[in-house]
Amino acid sequence: SAVISQKPSRDICQRGTSLTIQCQVDSQVTMMFWYRQQPGQSLTLIATANQGSEATYESGFVIDKFPISRPNLTFSTLTVSNMSPEDSSIYLCSFLPGLNTGELFFGEGSRLTVL
Amino acid sequence: RKEVEQDPGPFNVPEGATVAFNCTYSNSASQSFFWYRQDCRKEPKLLMSVYSSGNEDGRFTAQLNRASQYISLLIRDSKLSDSATYLCVVNEGGTYKYIFGTGTRLKVLA
Repeated sequence: SAVISQKPSRDICQRGTSLTIQCQVDSQVTMMFWYRQQPGQSLTLIATANQGSEATYESGFVIDKFPISRPNLTFSTLTVSNMSPEDSSIYLCSFLPGLNTGELFFGEGSRLTVL
Repeated sequence: RKEVEQDPGPFNVPEGATVAFNCTYSNSASQSFFWYRQDCRKEPKLLMSVYSSGNEDGRFTAQLNRASQYISLLIRDSKLSDSATYLCVVNEGGTYKYIFGTGTRLKVLA
């Protein structure tokens, strides 16, 4: 199965700054997603990263705050913009190997703390 | 009402015990169902898919009741290594959106 790597694994950032998280898969995958897991909470889908076009955002998430790139079928980035302490969370990239709604694979996550 | 609801626990059980987790979902159009395991500070990983007929994988048994919109996970002969958070996950039919429950935390005690 494909291997997914995500970086940074953790970071501590100042309020008002932005951080870009990278996700690399070692083979081409059709569907890539970005999730957020706030402390003590479940995973919430931020957006679907579409290759070559704008990401599809879920309710409550907007492009200005969470711009996403997906230049090809193996790579995606999520930027958390103008951060506030409420953005402190774990951000996870994930992918589906094919178009069937089977197993969702996750990167190891990026633990973000905003001071 | 939450889309996917689970008892958060924690469930503290002795080694060798049998433990069951339940999960309810609100969208009757949901088509795919899963149990994921998440260890502390790690990413979620698939434990097993849940099929309408019920399915078993070693010590783990999953069942789905579509009429009641209810999913269960049974763990027999619990091991210390089973200690983790178990996430109930539901896929909405016709989409790639996976809805995660908040998870049930299990601690298996020596």
